[in-house]
Amino acid sequence: RKEVEQDPGPFNVPEGATVAFNCTYSNSASQSFFWYRQDCRKEPKLLMSVYSSGNEDGRFTAQLNRASQYISLLIRDSKLSDSATYLCVVNGGEGNQAGTALIFGKGTTLSVSS
Amino acid sequence: DAGITQSPRHKVTETGTPVTLRCHQTENHRYMYWYRQDPGHGLRLIHYSYGVKDTDKGEVSDGYSVSRSKTEDFLLTLESATSSQTSVYFCAISEGTTSYNEQFFGPGTRLTVL
Repeated sequence: RKEVEQDPGPFNVPEGATVAFNCTYSNSASQSFFWYRQDCRKEPKLLMSVYSSGNEDGRFTAQLNRASQYISLLIRDSKLSDSATYLCVVNGGEGNQAGTALIFGKGTTLSVSS
Repeated sequence: DAGITQSPRHKVTETGTPVTLRCHQTENHRYMYWYRQDPGHGLRLIHYSYGVKDTDKGEVSDGYSVSRSKTEDFLLTLESATSSQTSVYFCAISEGTTSYNEQFFGPGTRLTVL
């Protein structure tokens, strides 16, 4: 069974802290990688796609290590509004219609306090 | 706003009754997906569609059927609801390429089966 594993947390950090989330995936054929954010009782929302070269969007940096099948998300200068559950997501990896489906980790909960 | 609506947003029903959930999109995306989210499991794929009248099963398809007679609508039916189908159901859409296949989610339907 294809899996995505994440540390469930919770991560409790003060405002301004830097926090890192890690994720591993089992399917070496996966081609697409994402971090989604999910607020309580809301739908998941795309935070950022993760590229092989690594990518940054403001305070958020994502890294991908294909050899180790490992994905990370770094949040700098944490804000209260960053409190949410962060989902590590990869695609199914098949080279057909089924490959478009996504496999979700169970999520890592972040709580930022003042 | 990805232009996805789900109806109903909340539903309480009794074991053995049929239930249909609707997902409607305004973006004309080819791919549509139904996921369920349960504590301790993350999001799991139920069924997906890659075009009108083209559907396939996901990881947890038992007890569910789907139909897509128009590009904009994807229906999920529980023929005879069971308590194990109490969950939050999310619809998602995407362009469906296997590279960087971002998916965008509807607001969810909370279903309780008594």
